[in-house]
Amino acid sequence: GQNIDQPTEMTATEGAIVQINCTYQTSGFNGLFWYQQHAGEAPTFLSYNVLDGLEEKGRFSSFLSRSKGYSYLLLKELQMKDSASYLCAVRDALTGAGSYQLTFGKGTKLSVIP
Amino acid sequence: EAQVTQNPRYLITVTGKKLTVTCSQNMNHEYMSWYRQDPGLGLRQIYYSMNVEVTDKGDVPEGYKVSRKEKRNFPLILESPSPNQTSLYFCASSGTGTGTTSNYGYTFGSGTRLTVV
Repeated sequence: GQNIDQPTEMTATEGAIVQINCTYQTSGFNGLFWYQQHAGEAPTFLSYNVLDGLEEKGRFSSFLSRSKGYSYLLLKELQMKDSASYLCAVRDALTGAGSYQLTFGKGTKLSVIP
Repeated sequence: EAQVTQNPRYLITVTGKKLTVTCSQNMNHEYMSWYRQDPGLGLRQIYYSMNVEVTDKGDVPEGYKVSRKEKRNFPLILESPSPNQTSLYFCASSGTGTGTTSNYGYTFGSGTRLTVV
C-alpha cells in the first residue's frame, strides 16, 4: 500500500522559518511534489524533487532523502499570506497509469501569526 | 493561458436531481482525474482517465460517473446526488509521465463547491 504522513497543523510567527515534514512509504518512487492550497482554492505547484538533496526556490526550499522516505518543505521569512495548507504528494511509478498518478498526504495547515 | 476550467464554481442542489460538473483542459494532456476534498480526509480520487475512452475507478467512485469522449473534456456526473456527496471537487490534468511537463505533476481546476440538501 501507499502511505504519506505529514503533521496536521503547525503555527509559526511572521518573519520566522518553518519546516514541514513528510514521510512516505510507497511501492515505487518517481518524484515528490509540494503544493500550496489556500482555503477553498485549488492546490498550486510549489516544488518537485526526484533526486536526493535540496531544491531552492526563493523563500521556499524542498529536501528529499529517498533512502529514508523523507522530505521537508522549508519556508523562510514567513509572511501572513503563507497561511495555507501544504500538501505532500508522491508519484510512484515510471510507466502506465502510475506514471501520472499522485498520492497525496492529508496536508499540513500552517497558521502564520503576527 | 494553460489551464483547467471547471464549472460551476458553486452549486446547491436537492437530493436525487442529476447534475454534471464540467472540466476542460487546453494543454493536450492525456491524463485527467477527479478528486473530492473533505475536512480531515484530504484529497480522495474519484475517477481518472488515461486517454480518450479510457477511464478507471479511484478510491471513492460510488455514486459518480465520468466520460472521456474528447481529450480535452472530462465531465463528472452525479446521477442521483445525496447529502454525503456534499464536498469540494477538483478536476486535475497531467501530461506524459516523463519530461518537463511531468515535473509539475497536476494542474488543478479552480474547484466546485457542491452542496446537496
